[in-house]
Amino acid sequence: AQKVTQAQTEISVVEKEDVTLDCVYETRDTTYYLFWYKQPPSGELVFLIRRNSFDEQNEISGRYSWNFQKSTSSFNFTITASQVVDSAVYFCALSVSTGNQFYFGTGTSLTVIP
Amino acid sequence: EAQVTQNPRYLITVTGKKLTVTCSQNMNHEYMSWYRQDPGLGLRQIYYSMNVEVTDKGDVPEGYKVSRKEKRNFPLILESPSPNQTSLYFCASSFSVLTSVRDEQFFGPGTRLTVL
Repeated sequence: AQKVTQAQTEISVVEKEDVTLDCVYETRDTTYYLFWYKQPPSGELVFLIRRNSFDEQNEISGRYSWNFQKSTSSFNFTITASQVVDSAVYFCALSVSTGNQFYFGTGTSLTVIP
Repeated sequence: EAQVTQNPRYLITVTGKKLTVTCSQNMNHEYMSWYRQDPGLGLRQIYYSMNVEVTDKGDVPEGYKVSRKEKRNFPLILESPSPNQTSLYFCASSFSVLTSVRDEQFFGPGTRLTVL
């Protein structure tokens, strides 16, 4: 069985602070894919990043960075110098090569206070 | 413009009245899927389709039907809606899941359904 846990339900930070959103996944498959999506207050779901299980390199994209650690089954997302526009619900998701489904976490609601 | 469209965007209906939510994509994607989003539960997959005439159940299929007669369309059918199906529904598509690179999904704008 596959599972994604986002233990942080809600986070509030003051603008310009750094914030890390946690994602822990469970799977017995050796080949799998991890995703992050952003859902701003307007409601649409926006793809942020995909990572496969064979690529443990961390990735940085502007103020966003992702830390993938297979040893702890985690795929954490850090926003550096947060901005009000980062306020959104963030979802982590998992898909495995032996199946055709996608499994989402319950999401973390981030509020950046000006 | 590459997009996934859903209609209607908002719907209020009554228990037992059959309804269909349409979903269409213009990206020639093989994989399409329906999710429901509920507070505290995140997104849960209802049904998905690998290609035309190929559909399969996700984690929460009870009370829903789908069909995939054309590649671009993947309607969600609630034959006898009940109040516990009040939710925000998203349609999504991706190129394929049968590749070594599992493509990201593109999501529609969502349909907010209320069943009274």
